[in-house]
This record gives sequence, structure tokens and C-alpha cells, in this order.
Amino acid sequence: EAQVTQNPRYLITVTGKKLTVTCSQNMNHEYMSWYRQDPGLGLRQIYYSMNVEVTDKGDVPEGYKVSRKEKRNFPLILESPSPNQTSLYFCASSFQPGLNYEQYFGPGTRLTVT
Amino acid sequence: AQSVAQPEDQVNVAEGNPLTVKCTYSVSGNPYLFWYVQYPNRGLQFLLKYITGDNLVKGSYGFEAEFNKSQTSFHLKKPSALVSDSALYFCAVRGGSNDYKLSFGAGTTVTVRA
Repeated sequence: EAQVTQNPRYLITVTGKKLTVTCSQNMNHEYMSWYRQDPGLGLRQIYYSMNVEVTDKGDVPEGYKVSRKEKRNFPLILESPSPNQTSLYFCASSFQPGLNYEQYFGPGTRLTVT
Repeated sequence: AQSVAQPEDQVNVAEGNPLTVKCTYSVSGNPYLFWYVQYPNRGLQFLLKYITGDNLVKGSYGFEAEFNKSQTSFHLKKPSALVSDSALYFCAVRGGSNDYKLSFGAGTTVTVRA
């Protein structure tokens, strides 16, 4: 089954404790992206990746890091989480050429930072 | 900078009545426009897209959308709403083939009453 998986689905952590949210897709997509969803703000793009070893900032990259060492994986790293990073996070992927392809979204990771 | 506006936070309709969810956009190039739907506790699902061609595009679950370049709008429509259409709807825009960022609106919650 074609899908985007994220782990963990739920995470409660404390300020300053480094964490990683994993994202994996099995569709051989070149393009992958991370978003955060906050009430009244919709989805805001954090980082995206056009292909292996190619990443770029989205609209709200501060406090986040990403890496793309393999085509299927695109982990999101919070090196020192803060309460304002409490949010619902989505990973997405799509075929890259022309980027007129729709994105496939993972189920989401609900992060709470206390 | 590109942006998307969904002027209505909520839309309430009776089952069987027409449903319209409004979206306006701002981009510097030719827009690539998308609608996504999010059901409770789920990731986003693709509904339809406009890249080029016919201004009226048809998508999943009986939804359609009309691209209007002069009004910079891409309203989502369904002739006869179902209770199962109750969900959160997002409009998104990409500013042409050289723009790799996807910008989302804040979302519109649709409630269809029986």
C-alpha cells in the first residue's frame, strides 16, 4: 500500500530535550516536506527536500533541522524544543517533476512541549 | 510572496443543498491550485487541482472547483452535500513551475446537517 508513515504519532516532551520525528514514504517520491498545523493558521511549511541531500527552508524553519540521506526518509529534528513548537506536524511527499503532482500526507504527529 | 485566503472559518449547510467553500490566492506567476480535505484525526487527502486548461476541474467525491483568473479565485463546490462531507477543507497554491513551496489557507470547517 502506498503511504507516508510518521513516528511517533503522539509525543509529550520537556523543553530542551532533543527529539526526532521520523517520516518515510514507499512511493519513490523525490519531493518531501514537513508542515505544522496550528488552529487558525492552516498548514505552514517548515522544510522541504527536492531529492537526496537537497533541502531548503519553508516559511517557518526556525528551531527545526532536517536531513535527506535516503530517498524514502526525511526526519524532522528539534534540537532544543520549546513550548511554542507544540503543534500537529505532517510529513508529505510527491513526485518532483514540475511539482504539479498532488502531495500525499502522513497521519500526523501531535507534539506537546512542556 | 504567495498567499491563500479562505474568508470563511465555517460553512454550514443542510444535506442535499449545494456546498461552496471560497478561496482566493495571490501569486506572482501562473498559479497551481489545490484543494485538500482533512477528516478528524487524519492527514490531508487530495481532492482536486488546477494546473492549466479548462477552468472547471472535477475531483474526488463529487467535488469540483472553478478557476477564475480575473478574480484570483478557486472556489470549491459540490451540488448536493452529504453529512459525510463534514470536514476541514484547505486551499493551497504554488506559484508556477519554478516555485517549490506550497502555501495553504487557514482552512474552512464544513458542517453538513442531516
